[in-house]
Amino acid sequence: GAVVSQHPSWVICKSGTSVKIECRSLDFQATTMFWYRQFPKQSLMLMATSNEGSKATYEQGVEKDKFLINHASLTLSTLTVTSAHPEDSSFYICSARVGGVNTEAFFGQGTRLTVV
Amino acid sequence: QQQVKQSPQSLIVQKGGISIINCAYENTAFDYFPWYQQFPGKGPALLIAIRPDVSEKKEGRFTISFNKSAKQFSLHIMDSQPGDSATYFCAPGTSYKLIFGSGTRLLVRP
Repeated sequence: GAVVSQHPSWVICKSGTSVKIECRSLDFQATTMFWYRQFPKQSLMLMATSNEGSKATYEQGVEKDKFLINHASLTLSTLTVTSAHPEDSSFYICSARVGGVNTEAFFGQGTRLTVV
Repeated sequence: QQQVKQSPQSLIVQKGGISIINCAYENTAFDYFPWYQQFPGKGPALLIAIRPDVSEKKEGRFTISFNKSAKQFSLHIMDSQPGDSATYFCAPGTSYKLIFGSGTRLLVRP
């Protein structure tokens, strides 16, 4: 299957700083990328959907000014957690789809963010 | 999100046994019904998926059974192995969006 790579795999940052997470589709062009958040032993919650070259669509309750998403190319999307606080500590996972009807979603390996 | 209900929450099966996980959904617009497998500290990986025009799909030891009228689908893992121990998520949805179930933690005892 297609490969989606996330970087970094884990990051520790100080409260109040910003952190950028990259999501790359390595062997295909992703027309749509998704960002999820997963707390320990819980399900994946969709945060936002981004299409290349356009603004991201955020799910209800997700602060768009806090979680900045940029989908600059068909192979790269970034999630920036601005002014991070301990409650933002979580497992962030991106997903990419080629496009078209009912195509498979490929997931990255996730990024563990710890805010201290 | 109550659109998707997954059960059981956890499951313990002996090696060689059958593991069965169920998923119920509400949105009749859903037209894609996948199951994902997730190991600790990793992203989910697609295990098997089915379209609504098919009632059953089998891939190796994994089978999806789909009941459109009941708005339910299930995952059957035959001859369960310790390596199958993971968390499984159903994630029905459309071409645009997937809604993840709450997950089932499967433990296969040797």
